[in-house]
This record gives sequence, structure tokens and C-alpha cells, in this order.
Amino acid sequence: DAGVIQSPRHEVTEMGQEVTLRCKPISGHNSLFWYRQTMMRGLELLIYFNNNVPIDDSGMPEDRFSAKMPNASFSTLKIQPSEPRDSAVYFCASSLIVFPAFFGQGTRLTVV
Amino acid sequence: SQELEQSPQSLIVQEGKNLTINCTSSKTLYGLYWYKQKYGEGLIFLMMLQKGGEEKSHEKITAKLDEKKQQSSLHITASQPSHAGIYLCGVKPDSNYQLIWGAGTKLIIKP
Repeated sequence: DAGVIQSPRHEVTEMGQEVTLRCKPISGHNSLFWYRQTMMRGLELLIYFNNNVPIDDSGMPEDRFSAKMPNASFSTLKIQPSEPRDSAVYFCASSLIVFPAFFGQGTRLTVV
Repeated sequence: SQELEQSPQSLIVQEGKNLTINCTSSKTLYGLYWYKQKYGEGLIFLMMLQKGGEEKSHEKITAKLDEKKQQSSLHITASQPSHAGIYLCGVKPDSNYQLIWGAGTKLIIKP
């Protein structure tokens, strides 16, 4: 298996634009996590899916953020409209159990 | 709320030397997880410790859990350049899925 695959690896966008980050979890995994990592705040859990169902989205900063998991092999994290303070590295992680065992390489988002 | 403290914040070690990184929780923990992260890459899961006194090893990396002290130590023997990176610990404050994360320890190996 190729592991957790995230795309794009880097994204630079202008403030106000919509940004969509993508994640393909490891086949067979039923838990999916979206994290955000910054120097100031470290790792923050944004949302957790189990069997494609959002279990906890309390970490989603505000209404500008939304996440979907239409099937077991794909998830998206959307930011609309994007703001400079959203600049961070966004990680997707998947697992067979309820902790993030396998992380993707991350998407480095820069909003200018 | 539960907090995690990792020490030291950064560490520079001569190749071949041993080193120890600590992770201390302010409250009771139900599980402790060690990860390694290289710059620009995702986290790599190293080990999970769940019981007091538990000790696990992976190659030259050993982690122990002291439940009474609410602390875990990660020990690297005969360090190599491949050990360089940021080591993060995560703790489950309860049986839930949420992890509380430490700030990380940056390890540099000098040749």
C-alpha cells in the first residue's frame, strides 16, 4: 500500500479564495483524522471520521472550514474563504483503531 | 485541562551517543504514543504504551511508561543520523479518540 496520500503537497492561494485539500486513506482503514500543524499551536485535531461519518468536528475553527468523506477511500477539507491565518501544514491520518497511526505527507498551505 | 510537557525542547547529540527524551502529563493518562517527524514530512508512529511499567523497543529506540509519575521516557542507544528529527508524544486523557500533543523535542545528531 502506498500509505496515506494527500494532495496537493503545496498550495499557495490568495486571501478569499477557496481551497480544497484531498486525502486518500489506507485501504481498509475506518478512522480518518484531519490535523493542522503550526509553530505557534502545534498539532490540532480538526475533525475525526469513523466509517465515513464525522464523529467530532469541534476542532474545526469556524464555518469557513468544512470536511467531507463521501466514501471510505476519499476525504476533502475545504476552506472558503481562505485567510492568511489559515496558513499551516494540514495532515490527514488514517487508522484501523481510534488513534492516528498513519499520517500523510501533509499539504503546506500558504494564504497571501 | 490536561497538558503535556516534553523535555528537552531540543537536543544536540554526538553520533553514537545515547540520549533520553521525556514526556510528562499533568493528569492521569490512558495511553501514551510516540511519533517521529522529519521536517516537511508527516508523523511516523513509533510506539504505544498503555500499562504502567510497560516498555517497548523498536530497533535502537526504547520507550517506558511510569504510570505513577505520569511520565514516559524515550531512549535512543548509539544514535545515528537517521534518528534526527522531531519526537512528539501524544496522550489519551480518556478512552476517547482525542490525543493531547506535546510540543516536541528536536533532535540533532552531530557526525
